[in-house]
Amino acid sequence: KAGVTQTPRYLIKTRGQQVTLSCSPISGHRSVSWYQQTPGQGLQFLFEYFSETQRNKGNFPGRFSGRQFSNSRSEMNVSTLELGDSALYLCASSKTGQGAYEQYFGPGTRLTVT
Amino acid sequence: GEDVEQSLFLSVREGDSSVINCTYTDSSSTYLYWYKQEPGAGLQLLTYIFSNMDMKQDQRLTVLLNKKDKHLSLRIADTQTGDSAIYFCAPKSRGYNFNKFYFGSGTKLNVKP
Repeated sequence: KAGVTQTPRYLIKTRGQQVTLSCSPISGHRSVSWYQQTPGQGLQFLFEYFSETQRNKGNFPGRFSGRQFSNSRSEMNVSTLELGDSALYLCASSKTGQGAYEQYFGPGTRLTVT
Repeated sequence: GEDVEQSLFLSVREGDSSVINCTYTDSSSTYLYWYKQEPGAGLQLLTYIFSNMDMKQDQRLTVLLNKKDKHLSLRIADTQTGDSAIYFCAPKSRGYNFNKFYFGSGTKLNVKP
């Protein structure tokens, strides 16, 4: 069974630009969550999508947005990039997002903002 | 939100046992997870425990939960060099629509040969 895939793996952008990251969950998984990982703040929850609807949201500004498609694939968009957005962005998928809720993580997209 | 605290570093010798500790603040946490992250990789789910359990054993891994003190630990028996990684504790809050995980800062385990 293929794992969670994220594209691209590495990205370099300039301040003020926007970026879109993609996540393909494990087949059959309907819940996709996004996390930002930085050395200073650690792992922080961005948002969770289930059946194309945003179900939960973390404490990030509106520049961070996402969406989920009918095939459960998800994209995350960051507009007007700032230097502080440099981070590893992790996507995780889960079957239903209920109960024991086993999340499986992708390898991440390393975003560098210059 | 929930506060989750872990010590930053742990160093052990190969063959010894490692114990990684975690404290959390949300008493409504229903499931408590341990993840492992190797350099340049995402997180790998290691194991988890339901809040009505005190202990769970899974091969070399033993999870202990003290719900009264909100303390969780992960014991790795016969630690190997391949166990060197960062370990994250992640309690999950109660509720169908409240599937937020709060991760600790991670404990970097260094296993010396």
